[in-house]
Amino acid sequence: GAGVSQSPSNKVTEKGKDVELRCDPISGHTALYWYRQRLGQGLEFLIYFQGNSAPDKSGLPSDRFSAERTGESVSTLTIQRTQQEDSAVYLCASSLDPPGIAVSYEQYFGPGTRLTVT
Amino acid sequence: DQQVKQNSPSLSVQEGRISILNCDYTNSMFDYFLWYKKYPAEGPTFLISISSIKDKNEDGRFTVFLNKSAKHLSLHIVPSQPGDSAVYFCAARDAGGTSYGKLTFGQGTILTVHP
Repeated sequence: GAGVSQSPSNKVTEKGKDVELRCDPISGHTALYWYRQRLGQGLEFLIYFQGNSAPDKSGLPSDRFSAERTGESVSTLTIQRTQQEDSAVYLCASSLDPPGIAVSYEQYFGPGTRLTVT
Repeated sequence: DQQVKQNSPSLSVQEGRISILNCDYTNSMFDYFLWYKKYPAEGPTFLISISSIKDKNEDGRFTVFLNKSAKHLSLHIVPSQPGDSAVYFCAARDAGGTSYGKLTFGQGTILTVHP
């Protein structure tokens, strides 16, 4: 079956512009996560969705970052007024975690969107 | 504050020999540990995991060891193959925070296996 897909694969934008990144999780996966990886660093948690609610937004670095999810489907991560420090690979992952019970810790990752802010 | 650390940015190993990748953590509330493998231009893929109630888990050529008292885990690959060349990430779940699968990742170790 299809894995997690993300679009675009690469995005170059000018400082100050808004960008929207898209994630299509694996069908049936209730949990969805956004991470980012800056150069030379590990994956940094941004936000977690269970269905279309986001019980944990603690990783969003500033109010310029927001995300939404439609049901148990597509999620978009929006960065407003981009800054150079936003340059990173943004990774989306999905898993079968049901609400309240972490049955499976295995997260399936998409290929990421490489964002470059000039 | 880096709660999961992989102190070796890179490791080079000869084909057929053992690769040992190390990971240290500071949060005693971590209850589940995972290793992910990442090829260039691809997302990380799950490799192997271990619960904090165990000290070893084996899957084919891959074995993960957990030393809770030392807050240390390691991934052993035996025998190493050139196709194992990738970035390896250690990740951990915090049982004290939430009931879902939020993971904290290390910085990654680049493994190169030479033919």
